[in-house]
Amino acid sequence: GAVVSQHPSWVICKSGTSVKIECRSLDFQATTMFWYRQFPKQSLMLMATSNEGSKATYEQGVEKDKFLINHASLTLSTLTVTSAHPEDSSFYICSARVGDRDYGEQFFGPGTRLTVL
Amino acid sequence: GQNIDQPTEMTATEGAIVQINCTYQTSGFNGLFWYQQHAGEAPTFLSYNVLDGLEEKGRFSSFLSRSKGYSYLLLKELQMKDSASYLCAPWDSNYQLIWGAGTKLIIKP
Repeated sequence: GAVVSQHPSWVICKSGTSVKIECRSLDFQATTMFWYRQFPKQSLMLMATSNEGSKATYEQGVEKDKFLINHASLTLSTLTVTSAHPEDSSFYICSARVGDRDYGEQFFGPGTRLTVL
Repeated sequence: GQNIDQPTEMTATEGAIVQINCTYQTSGFNGLFWYQQHAGEAPTFLSYNVLDGLEEKGRFSSFLSRSKGYSYLLLKELQMKDSASYLCAPWDSNYQLIWGAGTKLIIKP
């Protein structure tokens, strides 16, 4: 089956530092990957849609200069949280869409828990 | 606007059957997913319905009525490991998943 990995699985950093999270599709190519954020006891919130070789599409209210997304290959997308602050502490989840069709199924990575001190 | 409505929490007994309901309003519709999410983990796929009716997969079944904007997930022979949140997520006209807050299911011995 389709497997998506994320690295790291958890990270603790100091306020003001930057953190990079990697999302990889291990056994399939993903033209499109999605980045979500989930605060405790809340629903998944789509942050941005990442397309290979082009700029990411950010959802309303998500700062593109703070959450940098790079989708350099068909199997790797990265999310960099720049100048992280305690309010950025959250569970970040990526998903990858199988194939290049809009109706391709999404498979989720295991998530990355970010704690900013 | 787009809206998902599920009960916040449900409790059931091990070995029993539970039905988790979901009503939705979306801009267009291209099917509906059910996901299971254990605490601290990412969602995992359970089922996908695009046509009206019941889809059965082992202990889990999912039902869809497009005209009513309604779906349910039926879990049979409940096990303690089924304690998790269950997320109903329709696909809108742009094939974007619309997420609700999910239903936290508590299984008691």
